[in-house]
Amino acid sequence: EVQLVESGGGLVQPGRSLRLSCAASGFTFDDYAMHWVRQAPGKGLEWVSGISWNSGSIGYADSVKGRFTISRDNAKNSLYLQMNSLRAEDMALYYCAKGTKDNAFDIWGQGTMVTVSS
Amino acid sequence: QLVLTQSPSASASLGASVKLTCTLSSGHSSYAIAWHQQQPEKGPRYLMKLNSDGSHSKGDGIPDRFSGSSSGAERYLTISSLQSEDEADYYCQTWGTGTLWVFGGGTKLTVL
Repeated sequence: EVQLVESGGGLVQPGRSLRLSCAASGFTFDDYAMHWVRQAPGKGLEWVSGISWNSGSIGYADSVKGRFTISRDNAKNSLYLQMNSLRAEDMALYYCAKGTKDNAFDIWGQGTMVTVSS
Repeated sequence: QLVLTQSPSASASLGASVKLTCTLSSGHSSYAIAWHQQQPEKGPRYLMKLNSDGSHSKGDGIPDRFSGSSSGAERYLTISSLQSEDEADYYCQTWGTGTLWVFGGGTKLTVL
């Protein structure tokens, strides 16, 4: 079964850091780009960051550029998101998503919640 | 600037059909998009990739009731024989040059 399982969310104070993880199974992880997408409470989906299969191409939304870092470990079938200098507006459910060869996202995880509050 | 515009809400009766619209910003009318469904309290689910010529490829297990079409800068998702479980938020998504992905604001579909 193709599956993505996120972890690492929690309550964090503004200005602090958090690292999210996404464990992939059921497909050849190092064949595909991977992405992080977030959804603030009651809001729509927002693309956060993406990474190509070999980490050679990485992109970030303007809202997180310079604060978040995406990475992957193909040997461990895992995707990561290092989030620094967290702000109240970063509070959201963070989803891991698998990219397709033609740039869509075809597999989604269930998400991990990040709460930023003092 | 690459932007996707969706109506915030739509409604249709059980058993009827509904057509949701996603509009690409000026200068981007040739772009392909993807449609995703998000049922209440669940993660998104990929429905299909939709090209500018109307051709589309659906995700695994997506029923034939879901189809896509295109006209100019508009991309459509048609759901026929509406069922109660189709009540959900529907998002369109596209991708730009380099590393840039964009979502529309979503349409909340109510099945009456």
